[in-house]
Amino acid sequence: SQTIHQWPATLVQPVGSPLSLECTVEGTSNPNLYWYRQAAGRGLQLLFYSIGIDQISSEVPQNLSASRPQDRQFILSSKKLLLSDSGFYLCAWSVNAQPQHFGDGTRLSIL
Amino acid sequence: RKEVEQDPGPFNVPEGATVAFNCTYSNSASQSFFWYRQDCRKEPKLLMSVYSSGNEDGRFTAQLNRASQYISLLIRDSKLSDSATYLCVVTASSNDYKLSFGAGTTVTVRA
Repeated sequence: SQTIHQWPATLVQPVGSPLSLECTVEGTSNPNLYWYRQAAGRGLQLLFYSIGIDQISSEVPQNLSASRPQDRQFILSSKKLLLSDSGFYLCAWSVNAQPQHFGDGTRLSIL
Repeated sequence: RKEVEQDPGPFNVPEGATVAFNCTYSNSASQSFFWYRQDCRKEPKLLMSVYSSGNEDGRFTAQLNRASQYISLLIRDSKLSDSATYLCVVTASSNDYKLSFGAGTTVTVRA
């Protein structure tokens, strides 16, 4: 069966520091991969999605970037975090476009 | 206007009761619909897809009303473990990577 791993679970970072969140999927090949952010009391916002290695689509202009160096690895990065980057970050995978299945999430707090 | 709107609740119901709530969507061309369940500070998990003719999964029944552009979720014989936030998800087509998430409806089942 397929599993998705996302880490770290929680992260506290100062403003202006870099960020790297990792997500890996096991048990499937060539999955579609997604990064979402969920602000408190809000719906999920799609940040990036990828349908293959080095193929990244960005949905929202921001100071975040994503990379997919391997088939089942998806990385969310930032060179300099802003206070507004705080939130709950979720990685997801799918075989076709839907439905999508989520990792445990990373709760990011910027100080 | 938001793409997907939900009554945030909370819906407070006693164990064993029936609870139902709707979600409205703005894009009349939407083709795929889902309900996800999200526990507090956890990742969303797929509860069920919603089909045109309506569908049932145990105590959960989902309905789609295309004319009025809403989907509904009904929970029969509520259990304490049904306490969660239920996210309505809509997408333009079955091939669409971009899912539109509602902010969720919170259900609390009390003993």
